Amino acid sequence: DAKTTQPTSMDCAEGRAANLPCNHSTISGNEYVYWYRQIHSQGPQYIIHGLKNNETNEMASLIITEDRKSSTLILPHATLRDTAVYYCIVSRTTGANSKLTFGKGITLSVRP
Amino acid sequence: NAGVTQTPKFQVLKTGQSMTLQCAQDMNHEYMSWYRQDPGMGLRLIHYSVGAGITDQGEVPNGYNVSRSTTEDFPLRLLSAAPSQTSVYFCASSAEGEQYFGPGTRLTVT
Repeated sequence: DAKTTQPTSMDCAEGRAANLPCNHSTISGNEYVYWYRQIHSQGPQYIIHGLKNNETNEMASLIITEDRKSSTLILPHATLRDTAVYYCIVSRTTGANSKLTFGKGITLSVRP
Repeated sequence: NAGVTQTPKFQVLKTGQSMTLQCAQDMNHEYMSWYRQDPGMGLRLIHYSVGAGITDQGEVPNGYNVSRSTTEDFPLRLLSAAPSQTSVYFCASSAEGEQYFGPGTRLTVT
């Protein structure tokens, strides 16, 4: 599975959009981009995943560049409860056999 | 629907002791896995299972055993605990496209 590179940390104001970047320049054509988050040492929580097209769900949007070498997770209206470590993960498999390799992630701090 | 449950939440062991970390899921998922997370680090895969009776090693399997006799349960066994196994352990089960994680077991080995 391709490796990912994320900034160590970032912050944003409550109510504003949080844009979390991820670089995965060695991604292969059949590899998916996953995003998970971990709030204060709880178990990680799935956010979203995608292959080529942009994806949106009730939590966030995932924007993948056309060359698939980078992506951005967008939290449209960040709240204090979104303060967490966010992990960008690339995996060759999806579904029941997906084995995830977690890096250190990016720490998002949402300020009042 | 309780999702993924783990017991105990906290455990202190002495070096050389053995114990089993319990994990159960009620979502009928075939895939289950165990991760450990050390302070300031991401999660690392210990063992995983793609169904009852089938297990395989992950990134850091040494010192741990697993078995999968039912779809619901996936216990992790420490046969002889070492201080290096002090960590937070997370169990997960997987559906199409996403993994569901339990709340974790915080293990300290002295």
